Amino acid sequence: NAGVTQTPKFQVLKTGQSMTLQCAQDMNHEYMSWYRQDPGMGLRLIHYSVGAGITDQGEVPNGYNVSRSTTEDFPLRLLSAAPSQTSVYFCASRLEGGLSTGELFFGEGSRLTVL
Amino acid sequence: QQQVKQSPQSLIVQKGGISIINCAYENTAFDYFPWYQQFPGKGPALLIAIRPDVSEKKEGRFTISFNKSAKQFSLHIMDSQPGDSATYFCAASCSDSSYKLIFGSGTRLLVRP
Repeated sequence: NAGVTQTPKFQVLKTGQSMTLQCAQDMNHEYMSWYRQDPGMGLRLIHYSVGAGITDQGEVPNGYNVSRSTTEDFPLRLLSAAPSQTSVYFCASRLEGGLSTGELFFGEGSRLTVL
Repeated sequence: QQQVKQSPQSLIVQKGGISIINCAYENTAFDYFPWYQQFPGKGPALLIAIRPDVSEKKEGRFTISFNKSAKQFSLHIMDSQPGDSATYFCAASCSDSSYKLIFGSGTRLLVRP
């Protein structure tokens, strides 16, 4: 099992450009989520999904879009990048419902710089 | 709104010493309290977790102490080793809100040889 795979690992954008951060998991997890990590701020939830076709907002959703067309994939889209979106982004997944222990499995992160 | 407050921001401990990281929460509906460990360039990974029906949980050198009345919980690392040097995050969630984890701000631990 590869676990949670994120691409790209590094990306530099100019203000106003758009891009998609990819996330895929091979553990058949229903729940997937995106966090951003900033110094002194910990990890903040951007969007999450409890299954294909279902998405919801987290703490800091503005400027980001998500969709969940398959169980395996959960891409994060930045429609018009801003310098405030410079961060390290983590995708995480886990089981949902009665089988879940609550443990989140994280990818290795995508470091995004917006100039 | 920071629902989980973590301290200290950074911690330096000598090898063999005890590392203590503290967290406080506000939402009394939280019923799941994990600690995650993150090494540079890697994603966080679950270290140990506790639910409020117990006051302490121990796994090897790592112990969570939980005080429900004070709404506080802490991570103790006994016999700290240089390999424990990492960033530690506490978190909290409600099992009936799909376990949406709210993380603390993180503690960077350095264990000196």
